[in-house]
Amino acid sequence: GAVVSQHPSWVICKSGTSVKIECRSLDFQATTMFWYRQFPKQSLMLMATSNEGSKATYEQGVEKDKFLINHASLTLSTLTVTSAHPEDSSFYICSAPPIGVHNEQFFGPGTRLTVL
Amino acid sequence: GQNIDQPTEMTATEGAIVQINCTYQTSGFNGLFWYQQHAGEAPTFLSYNVLDGLEEKGRFSSFLSRSKGYSYLLLKELQMKDSASYLCAVRSFPVPGGSGAGSYQLTFGKGTKLSVIP
Repeated sequence: GAVVSQHPSWVICKSGTSVKIECRSLDFQATTMFWYRQFPKQSLMLMATSNEGSKATYEQGVEKDKFLINHASLTLSTLTVTSAHPEDSSFYICSAPPIGVHNEQFFGPGTRLTVL
Repeated sequence: GQNIDQPTEMTATEGAIVQINCTYQTSGFNGLFWYQQHAGEAPTFLSYNVLDGLEEKGRFSSFLSRSKGYSYLLLKELQMKDSASYLCAVRSFPVPGGSGAGSYQLTFGKGTKLSVIP
């Protein structure tokens, strides 16, 4: 089956620093990747849609200048949390539907971010 | 907008059968997904329904009624490892004029935490 990786799997950082999270599709290409955030005991909330070669589209309430998304190739999307604060601590998960596949998305293993 | 409702928690006995319901309200329905998520891990795909009826996959089955905005996930021969959260997710047709990526966007319910007891 298709595999999506994320790096790092967990990160602890100081308040005010920036953190970059990578999402890679290892054995397929994806023009679109999705970034979700999940707080404890909550469901996945879509933050933004990453589009290869064009700007990301953000969900309402998500600050595009704080959560920078770059989708530089058909296998890599990055999410940078800028000037992180403790309230940004969460589980960040990416997913990708392979090109031409309409009935499944493959999720990465997630990145646990803790901001001190 | 979309509204997805599923029970918060359920408990069932090992070896038994459990049914997890999901109701939804959406415009432009384009498929319903069920995912399993263990604590601290990413969701894993279980099933996909876009037409009415029952889809069976081993111990797991999923049912959809589009007219009623209703789906259920049926788990048979429960095992302890089935203790997890089960997420119902709905996909809608993209908004005209958009990037097209909306055809893949999923809106998730809050999940049902299933506890399997001996």
